[in-house]
Amino acid sequence: DAKTTQPPSMDCAEGRAANLPCNHSTISGNEYVYWYRQIHSQGPQYIIHGLKNNETNEMASLIITEDRKSSTLILPHATLRDTAVYYCIVRVHGSGNTGKLIFGQGTTLQVKP
Amino acid sequence: GAVVSQHPSWVICKSGTSVKIECRSLDFQATTMFWYRQFPKQSLMLMATSNEGSKATYEQGVEKDKFLINHASLTLSTLTVTSAHPEDSSFYICSARWAGNSYEQYFGPGTRLTVT
Repeated sequence: DAKTTQPPSMDCAEGRAANLPCNHSTISGNEYVYWYRQIHSQGPQYIIHGLKNNETNEMASLIITEDRKSSTLILPHATLRDTAVYYCIVRVHGSGNTGKLIFGQGTTLQVKP
Repeated sequence: GAVVSQHPSWVICKSGTSVKIECRSLDFQATTMFWYRQFPKQSLMLMATSNEGSKATYEQGVEKDKFLINHASLTLSTLTVTSAHPEDSSFYICSARWAGNSYEQYFGPGTRLTVT
């Protein structure tokens, strides 16, 4: 699975949009981009995933560049409860895929009042 | 969404003893479960992958004789830390997925192990 690079930390004001970047320049054509987050001392929580089209759900939006070498997770209206470590992971789907997720260091997002 | 539980949520044991951690999928059948370890201020590190009814596959550097994994049913996997030592103190997290969904993986709340 391709490696990802994320900034170690970011701040965001409460109520504003949080934009978390991820670089995955070595991503291959059959690898999806996943985002998880981990609130302190809890298990990770799935946020969203995508292949090449932009995706949106009730939690966030995922913007993937046309060349798929980078992506941005957008939390449209950040709240204090969104303070967490956000992980960007790429992995392959389909048969033969073990399903395992390899976590990098992630981005610590601090939402401030 | 699907729920994964872990028991206990925290445990303290003496050096040299063994401790068992349970991971249960509460509302789905987990064909595959994963075990992670997380040290303070570090990321999650995958320890092993277990498929129901099969032997676990361990990641490089993880001692299979020390971290015994059993996945005997579609709703339960256990991790036993044998002869625990203080350096095994960590946050242990399991996750689960079922064969019909290759996209999402559901994580348990984690178990804090402290070895004294």
